[in-house]
Amino acid sequence: AQKITQTQPGMFVQEKEAVTLDCTYDTSDQSYGLFWYKQPSSGEMIFLIYQGSYDEQNATEGRYSLNFQKARKSANLVISASQLGDSAMYFCAMRENTGFQKLVFGTGTRLLVSP
Amino acid sequence: NAGVTQTPKFQVLKTGQSMTLQCAQDMNHEYMSWYRQDPGMGLRLIHYSVGAGITDQGEVPNGYNVSRSTTEDFPLRLLSAAPSQTSVYFCASSTLAGPSSGANVLTFGAGSRLTVL
Repeated sequence: AQKITQTQPGMFVQEKEAVTLDCTYDTSDQSYGLFWYKQPSSGEMIFLIYQGSYDEQNATEGRYSLNFQKARKSANLVISASQLGDSAMYFCAMRENTGFQKLVFGTGTRLLVSP
Repeated sequence: NAGVTQTPKFQVLKTGQSMTLQCAQDMNHEYMSWYRQDPGMGLRLIHYSVGAGITDQGEVPNGYNVSRSTTEDFPLRLLSAAPSQTSVYFCASSTLAGPSSGANVLTFGAGSRLTVL
């Protein structure tokens, strides 16, 4: 069975600094997808970034990048130049080798960005 | 561009009452799903559907029923509410596409906060 582990319940970072949010996963599938979502205090789920298991390059989306280490089964989110608006819960999720988005989520990391 | 619409946003029930959380999407998405979010537990899949007339159980299906009579709607029914069902519920949808199709991102509704007393 798939499992996503986020070991950091909370992280603090100062504005303009970079921060790494950890995510490890467990699956027996060779083909899978990894996602990061942001949940601000308003409650909505916002998609940030995606990495496919066969993608050779690490995914990047603006200030977000995904540090994908397949052999270590890790998919850490890196946020560069943190902003106050980055304060939120961040969830790592995995899609197994199916034709649809049946995602398994981690327990989340709460990020607080201070001025 | 409504996306995924959930109603109601807030609901308080007494133990044993029944209710239906509504979910509608206007993006012609084949795949729809319901998650519940509890503190410290992330989001857990309750039920999902890959098209009209097709539903299946997720990780935590007990106490919930679903049906999919149209592509647009995927209601979640609580037949006899229990305090353990106090949670925030999210409906999410996406197109159906193979694993090689890239992100094929789930679109989430705004959530429904349910309290069972």
